[in-house]
Amino acid sequence: GIQVEQSPPDLILQEGANSTLRCNFSDSVNNLQWFHQNPWGQLINLFYIPSGTKQNGRLSATTVATERYSLLYISSSQTTDSGVYFCAVVKPDSWGKLQFGAGTQVVVTP
Amino acid sequence: DAGVIQSPRHEVTEMGQEVTLRCKPISGHDYLFWYRQTMMRGLELLIYFNNNVPIDDSGMPEDRFSAKMPNASFSTLKIQPSEPRDSAVYFCASSDGSGGNEQFFGPGTRLTVL
Repeated sequence: GIQVEQSPPDLILQEGANSTLRCNFSDSVNNLQWFHQNPWGQLINLFYIPSGTKQNGRLSATTVATERYSLLYISSSQTTDSGVYFCAVVKPDSWGKLQFGAGTQVVVTP
Repeated sequence: DAGVIQSPRHEVTEMGQEVTLRCKPISGHDYLFWYRQTMMRGLELLIYFNNNVPIDDSGMPEDRFSAKMPNASFSTLKIQPSEPRDSAVYFCASSDGSGGNEQFFGPGTRLTVL
């Protein structure tokens, strides 16, 4: 199956700092999603981004499908950004099967 | 829209008991997915339905697990008999199948089997 690797595994930020999370995948994909799992366990959709760049407030994401990676940028981090960030992909021949990475645990301190 | 609805949010049961988890997808979505999250294995797909028909159940761990979707607005995941290793958070997700099939997740059911 497809391998999804996220880095770094853990990240500690001071409030106001910027950060970049990375997702590498081992094969072509036709779906890539970024999720935030908050401390209450809910999975929040951040971006659906199989290619290109999108922005939503302080968050933005870029996927370079030809080079098999995606980046999630968090700017001016806030304590509410704490949680685990997951990247998940779907291969063209595995329609519907989201394959998740192990996640990046982010802690934003006041 | 209310989003994907799951019930119960928490379930504590004893080994050997039957457990039924419930899901209502987003209205108009014709794909429904069941995922399980554990510390050891992370998030993994168990089964998914399209138009109420199971399409891929290769992720269902064993015969003790079964899932049904009797209509477009309701699905169940049943574990019988339950075992302590089934303890996990079970998520339901739905999609309208457009484009690359963006999936939206429910709040999850945290299952503890004693």
